[in-house]
Formats: sequence, C-alpha cells, structure tokens
Amino acid sequence: GDSVTQMEGPVTLSEEAFLTINCTYTATGYPSLFWYVQYPGEGLQLLLKATKADDKGSNKGFEATYRKETTSFHLEKGSVQVSDSAVYFCALSEGGGFQKLVFGTGTRLLVSP
Amino acid sequence: GAGVSQSPSNKVTEKGKDVELRCDPISGHTALYWYRQRLGQGLEFLIYFQGNSAPDKSGLPSDRFSAERTGESVSTLTIQRTQQEDSAVYLCASSLEQGKQFFGPGTRLTVL
Repeated sequence: GDSVTQMEGPVTLSEEAFLTINCTYTATGYPSLFWYVQYPGEGLQLLLKATKADDKGSNKGFEATYRKETTSFHLEKGSVQVSDSAVYFCALSEGGGFQKLVFGTGTRLLVSP
Repeated sequence: GAGVSQSPSNKVTEKGKDVELRCDPISGHTALYWYRQRLGQGLEFLIYFQGNSAPDKSGLPSDRFSAERTGESVSTLTIQRTQQEDSAVYLCASSLEQGKQFFGPGTRLTVL
C-alpha cells in the first residue's frame, strides 16, 4: 500500500538557519503530495502542495519540489524563524477527488533564537 | 467563519465502555474524514464521507468502530467496548478541494 516516510525528529535549529525535512513516498500511481503543519495548540493545516512531477509548492517561505525520479518531496526553507517551530507532516493522496490522505509520522522542528 | 469543531475535547473512559465522538465540519464542505493519531505515530485514516456516496470505511481497525454522517453536516464516530489500544487523538477534517483538508482540534481519548 501507499506510504510516506519522513526523517525522525526533533530537528533543532537556530534562527535564520537553513531547513530541510526529508520526505519520500511509495505509491502505486501518481499521487498528489502535501505538507501539513501543526503549530503548538493548533489544528493541522495545509502548508503547501504539488499535484504532478516537477511541480514546486511554496508558501510562507517554505518550498518543496515533487521529484518523481527519487519519489521525494523534501521541505526546505532558507531562513527559519522561531515562529516556524511546529510539527510538519508529509502526506499523499491518490486517485484525485476527495481521497484520503496518507501521512508520515511527522517531524518536530524546534527553532531557538 | 467557524472552523471544524469536535467534542468532547477530552474523554476518559473505562475499558469496555462505548464512546461517541462528534465532529461539526465547515458548512458546505462535502467531504468529511476521521483520522486517529496514537502517541508518537502519524495520522491513521479511519473513514471518509463524500456527499451521497457510500463511505470509504477501509481504515476502520475493527467492527467496534463505526461512523455516521447526517447529510453534509455532523458526523459521529462510535467506538464500542473500548480497549486500551484505542487511546489516541481522534481528528476530524472536512474538505471542499482535493487534498486541502481542514482539521479540527481533535478529541483526546484515554481508555483506562
């Protein structure tokens, strides 16, 4: 079945450092890929998405590129802020329409001033 | 504009008891999903409803779990004869667009 693998956390960075959170996936077809974020005390929310190979999703300074050849969707940000501290979840959905999301286990990011 | 709401926010129950968890989706959202998140694990899909289509129940872990949805509004997830392994945060989400799901704050269920 479909699955998503993320790097283990926590990831601890200083403010203004470069961030990469790795995500790879296994899918039978051509999934859409997503990053969701959960800030402390808040619900999960969509951060960015990409629906086909080579698409780049971006939002709030975060980017991720859909790499079909490596089945990856790594999350990057050039300069993190303390306010980026959260848990980040990589996810996929297959088949179009309102299909379920398959999530990775989440990666906690801690940014210190 | 209200978001997805869930109740109760916390539920402590004894092993063997039944529990009902409620989800109020965003008005107009045709799709509604239930997930659960056990400690230290990712979100695990349980069930989803889309309009008048038959629900996708493929993620329900056992026949002790069931869910209903009234039209395109409230949904209730019922767990019968709860077990300690049912302890988790149960999350509801609703959607009007592929992949963009709006999540509620969750119900933390503890089975003693």
